Amino acid sequence: DTEVTQTPKHLVMGMTNKKSLKCEQHMGHRAMYWYKQKAKKPPELMFVYSYEKLSINESVPSRFSPECPNSSLLNLHLHALQPEDSALYLCASSLSSGRGLSSPLHFGNGTRLTVT
Amino acid sequence: DQQVKQNSPSLSVQEGRISILNCDYTNSMFDYFLWYKKYPAEGPTFLISISSIKDKNEDGRFTVFLNKSAKHLSLHIVPSQPGDSAVYFCAARTIPYGGATNKLIFGTGTLLAVQP
Repeated sequence: DTEVTQTPKHLVMGMTNKKSLKCEQHMGHRAMYWYKQKAKKPPELMFVYSYEKLSINESVPSRFSPECPNSSLLNLHLHALQPEDSALYLCASSLSSGRGLSSPLHFGNGTRLTVT
Repeated sequence: DQQVKQNSPSLSVQEGRISILNCDYTNSMFDYFLWYKKYPAEGPTFLISISSIKDKNEDGRFTVFLNKSAKHLSLHIVPSQPGDSAVYFCAARTIPYGGATNKLIFGTGTLLAVQP
């Protein structure tokens, strides 16, 4: 069982919908991440939160809006998505995101998003 | 540009034999390397890592070798088991210039099939 929990497992939404993806971890990790993975491609980094502050935004379109309400929770708010945004969205956490500390990322099982 | 490459999209090995998965990188600033395993419909699972100051790390059946001069790392699995059949991603950590938060960049993945 993964220690990073993502909900929902599957989501189908229209281009005018607003929805949110949720991620939760209780390992005491202080860094949380959103990755996007298309079929037969590697995971691509979208956002990094470190100590509940956004520290990396990989030039992600504003129709994706991350939120970190506390150290255990990470949300990704979706609005006006395009069909090409259909992908597996992976949340991950690590003990720290800083220089000098080798801390592997622990991933959830992802949300399979389909935009119609 | 793909900074982390896995040139073999697939590999087939007999049960009990050694599996060798390879990964090449281009960025000499990477300081930490990881291997992940991914089953369909699940998130990547951390397997083993190595710091750039080492050339070998071993954990049970898994050994990772790092050749910094060649910018090459490999994962050895011995003996291979049918349950090892999955997609294997190598990943490398970098810290963006001027930043304090590290980024993990994934390779393209190798599908390992272990035949009984």
